[in-house]
Amino acid sequence: QSALTQPASVSGSPGQSITISCTATSSAEGYYNLVSWYQQRPGRVPKLIIYEGTKRPSGVSDRFSGSKSGDTASLTISGLQVEDEADYYCCSYTGTWVFGGGTKLTVL
Amino acid sequence: EVQLVQSGAEVKKPGESLKISCQGSGYSFTKYWIAWVRQMSGKGLEWMGIVFPGDSDARYSPSFQGQVAISVDKSINTAHLQWSSLKASDSAMYYCARGGASVDNFDYWGQGTLVTVSS
Repeated sequence: QSALTQPASVSGSPGQSITISCTATSSAEGYYNLVSWYQQRPGRVPKLIIYEGTKRPSGVSDRFSGSKSGDTASLTISGLQVEDEADYYCCSYTGTWVFGGGTKLTVL
Repeated sequence: EVQLVQSGAEVKKPGESLKISCQGSGYSFTKYWIAWVRQMSGKGLEWMGIVFPGDSDARYSPSFQGQVAISVDKSINTAHLQWSSLKASDSAMYYCARGGASVDNFDYWGQGTLVTVSS
């Protein structure tokens, strides 16, 4: 089973852009497209913000975007807002599902 | 409106059994997978397992295989997560989540069930 590595924390100022990476420790065919991202604000339930690597569910701001390169998927948040401060998790499906360790985003 | 409503918080002693539930509404319950996700205090999300209500097909993370049981009662649109003998290390928040139309994601989440295991 592949493990997913995320940075423990990232930070940015309002209006800036940040990118959170999610790297698979072992390659699996089809990994590249089957990555989802979740936002979890403090004390709240996780919320799906990106699926299939790059797609946004209805109602999710277009400030959130997903991409992939090699064994690394990335989440970019542009035009940072204070409300974006949260934990972010990637998740991959390669027959079973696995979450990354999570990244705490601080908006300074 | 799609909703997943979970059963309330539980306080149990080590060695006791427990079954928590997740009731779906607002969609065709038998057509979407239901997953269970653990979050220990201050820690990240861990995928535990998943069940397809249509045929009760259940799959488990290797980390949780044999430790819990996932089942479903489609007559009441409810999935269950069960322990036969709780340990203190099972103390955590447990979420159920619906598998989305695309296989890779979980699009709706329950509110969580807090399980506390303490002597």
